[in-house]
Amino acid sequence: ETGVTQTPRHLVMGMTNKKSLKCEQHLGHNAMYWYKQSAKKPLELMFVYNFKEQTENNSVPSRFSPECPNSSHLFLHLHTLQPEDSALYLCASSQERQSSPLHFGNGTRLTVT
Amino acid sequence: QKEVEQNSGPLSVPEGAIASLNCTYSDRGSQSFFWYRQYSGKSPELIMFIYSNGDKEDGRFTAQLNKASQYVSLLIRDSQPSDSATYLCAVQRGRGSTLGRLYFGRGTQLTVWP
Repeated sequence: ETGVTQTPRHLVMGMTNKKSLKCEQHLGHNAMYWYKQSAKKPLELMFVYNFKEQTENNSVPSRFSPECPNSSHLFLHLHTLQPEDSALYLCASSQERQSSPLHFGNGTRLTVT
Repeated sequence: QKEVEQNSGPLSVPEGAIASLNCTYSDRGSQSFFWYRQYSGKSPELIMFIYSNGDKEDGRFTAQLNKASQYVSLLIRDSQPSDSATYLCAVQRGRGSTLGRLYFGRGTQLTVWP
């Protein structure tokens, strides 16, 4: 399997549920990212991990909790979400160097009811 | 001022025409520039990137960069209906703790009609 894979593709959860999004990259990259994409808004960077260390957290609410056990795997743990958190959540990876593009997974379409 | 600005469109061109997509950025220290294509309901896919002033061609696509004007564009020649998508401009700053961090524009929606 190659590229960046995300599971699940679709997720519907209630506001009191706890769920996790999973991302795996097979590209040998050393940096992984979580992005949020809402309608009519630019892609919003949520978290960055470089060599398993979190290097950026863009003021994301604590109801989103990332985990990076190794350089190939990234999780986003979700709990007590709000309806406005409904969006497409994209995982990406890259090499941590200049002119290195992001490679995106297929995303998880999250709906919070 | 937004980091990266694009006309949201929609931009509509006939099949076979040249589509021109524009992007401006605010950080003069930005080093690398990327164009992504995103079909509805799908994730962004890289089309091409550019980091030197001038033009860079790849098949029907040409990226143009003018760092003095803080402007980058994407030309699509011989546009096809399959090019209909949202095109995202992304900018990499080239300094700071996270080299790989990209700043994205809102995207320009392109429709190519037969």
